[in-house]
Amino acid sequence: QKEVEQNSGPLSVPEGAIASLNCTYSDRVSQSFFWYRQYSGKSPELIMSIYSNGDKEDGRFTAQLNKASQYVSLLIRDSQPSDSATYLCAVHRGSTLGRLYFGRGTQLTVWP
Amino acid sequence: DVKVTQSSRYLVKRTGEKVFLECVQDMDHENMFWYRQDPGLGLRLIYFSYDVKMKEKGDIPEGYSVSREKKERFSLILESASTNQTSMYLCASSSTLSVASPNYEQFFGPGTRLTVL
Repeated sequence: QKEVEQNSGPLSVPEGAIASLNCTYSDRVSQSFFWYRQYSGKSPELIMSIYSNGDKEDGRFTAQLNKASQYVSLLIRDSQPSDSATYLCAVHRGSTLGRLYFGRGTQLTVWP
Repeated sequence: DVKVTQSSRYLVKRTGEKVFLECVQDMDHENMFWYRQDPGLGLRLIYFSYDVKMKEKGDIPEGYSVSREKKERFSLILESASTNQTSMYLCASSSTLSVASPNYEQFFGPGTRLTVL
C-alpha cells in the first residue's frame, strides 16, 4: 500500500460549486498534513496545513482531518476557474527530518 | 520571502553525459530535497540532506548522487544520463526548527525540465 493515496480524478466541477479532494495515509504515526496546489508548469505551493483532528478553515478552503480513519480532505467552496490545478496531499511523520510523503495528486478543473 | 532557485529551467542532454542540477536557497535552511515529478507518478523523493555533507536516500536514488558542500547549495548529479531520467526535477528546502511546529513548510524551486536524448 502506498504511503499516501488520493482520489485519482480528474475532478471537474462547475464554477461556484464545492470541490472535495480526499486523501488517505497508511502510517498511524503521521503527525502533520499538508495540501499543496500546483498549477500546470509551475512548482507546488502550500495552501493548507493541519495537525489536529477536525476542521481548519482559511477563506474558501477547509481542511478536515480524521486521524482515527487516517483520512484528510480539502474542501474548496465557491470554486473558481482559477482553482483549476493539481492538488497534492502530503504527510509528515514527525521523525524523518522534515521529509514529506506525497500523494500522486488530483487534477481539478473548474469550468465557468 | 524564501527563495529557492534552480540553475536551469530547461536542459537537454545526451545519453551517457554527466549532468549537474544545482539548487540554492537563501533562507539558511538545514533541510534540502530533490524530487522528480512524472505524469501519473506524482512527486518522488530522490535524495535529501539535513546538514552540510549529510545525505539520505529517498525512494528512487538509483542513477543519482548528490553533493552538499555548503549549507545553501544542494546539487543533484546524474553520473551517466539515460533516457528514463527525462523528467521534471524539483528542489525544495525547509527549516529543521520548524519541523515539529505548525509552521512547517517545504519551499519549492521553479523546477528543471530535463530531456535526455
